[in-house]
Amino acid sequence: AQSVAQPEDQVNVAEGNPLTVKCTYSVSGNPYLFWYVQYPNRGLQFLLKYITGDNLVKGSYGFEAEFNKSQTSFHLKKPSALVSDSALYFCAVRAYDSNYQLIWGAGTKLIIKP
Amino acid sequence: NAGVTQTPKFRILKIGQSMTLQCTQDMNHNYMYWYRQDPGMGLKLIYYSVGAGITDKGEVPNGYNVSRSTTEDFPLRLELAAPSQTSVYFCASSDRGSNQPQHFGDGTRLSIL
Repeated sequence: AQSVAQPEDQVNVAEGNPLTVKCTYSVSGNPYLFWYVQYPNRGLQFLLKYITGDNLVKGSYGFEAEFNKSQTSFHLKKPSALVSDSALYFCAVRAYDSNYQLIWGAGTKLIIKP
Repeated sequence: NAGVTQTPKFRILKIGQSMTLQCTQDMNHNYMYWYRQDPGMGLKLIYYSVGAGITDKGEVPNGYNVSRSTTEDFPLRLELAAPSQTSVYFCASSDRGSNQPQHFGDGTRLSIL
């Protein structure tokens, strides 16, 4: 079965420290991978995607993500966290042979403390 | 550029009532989606559409119906509201192509009492 796992319900980071939000996946074929962010009472916003090519993908607001095919992971990273990064983060994957549907992780709440 | 607009933002329904959640997008996207978001569960796809006149079931379609008469609009209908349908509903749209990101509305928070 195809699935996406975000193993941490919550991640706490001090402002200025690097942050990592983890995502692993299990899908057939070559995956298309996405990260989205959700602020309170808002819809999800696209951050970045991996389709092919360089394993390190850069996105909005200084975020980047590293694709690791052997570990089937797509972890979200940022070198220096801001309090304004506090939000809910979702990883999603679209299997190559899907009907344009996304498989979503359950989300990770990121809390950045001043 | 408004993007994806959902109405209403909040609604309380009684069991057995019906309602339509409205969604419209102004980006000329072919693909549109309806999700429900329950706490700690991520997003579940209810229905999706790849163009006007074409709709298909997602993961959790029971109790819902959709139509897509225009490119812009993709309303979601609840016929007989049940407490299990209490959730936050998101509409999204994307351009053609499976590598295109989805653009979301701000959601409709629905309570069934």
